[in-house]
Amino acid sequence: GQQVMQIPQYQHVQEGEDFTTYCNSSTTLSNIQWYKQRPGGHPVFLIQLVKSGEVKKQKRLTFQFGEAKKNSSLHITATQTTDVGTYFCAGMFFGDAGGTSYGKLTFGQGTILTVHP
Amino acid sequence: AAGVIQSPRHLIKEKRETATLKCYPIPRHDTVYWYQQGPGQDPQFLISFYEKMQSDKGSIPDRFSAQQFSDYHSELNMSSLELGDSALYFCASSLIQGPTYEQYFGPGTRLTVT
Repeated sequence: GQQVMQIPQYQHVQEGEDFTTYCNSSTTLSNIQWYKQRPGGHPVFLIQLVKSGEVKKQKRLTFQFGEAKKNSSLHITATQTTDVGTYFCAGMFFGDAGGTSYGKLTFGQGTILTVHP
Repeated sequence: AAGVIQSPRHLIKEKRETATLKCYPIPRHDTVYWYQQGPGQDPQFLISFYEKMQSDKGSIPDRFSAQQFSDYHSELNMSSLELGDSALYFCASSLIQGPTYEQYFGPGTRLTVT
């Protein structure tokens, strides 16, 4: 089946350190999205990557999409306590007919980030 | 800005009972998704609707059914509840015709089956 693997499962950092989480799919993705979920909250959309090799930045966050559109990463520079939460990648696969399967996001297992002040 | 509304926020049911979860998507969004999230797990896709028609189906048990109504709100009906159905149920909506496929998640319904 279509799966998205995400590592690491947990990451504990000191405030000011960098953080990276990685996602990998066995099959080519139509696009990949990143979500952040705070404890007790709901997933909140961060960004979508569509193009092969795409790199996008949001302040201290850098998102990359692999050349083969099978892997992605999120890198946070100089973490802050407000970065605490679970970061999920979510892949959208092509449908059986070749078009994008709009109905389904396959989430990675998530990386739980804790930041010690 | 309007967000996705889900009701109820908390629900306690006994085994073999039924439950109905409601979702009101963001106005003018054309697609609704349902996800199930167990403790410490990632959201698992259940089912989606595009313009009131079922568009995709995931790991939704046969005991569950869902529909989207003419006013675009959606309901997830769960019958013969089992202990393992205890989870957070999220509804999300998106505008497929928009520039991105980002999904806006509601606050979730926490279902506890005892």
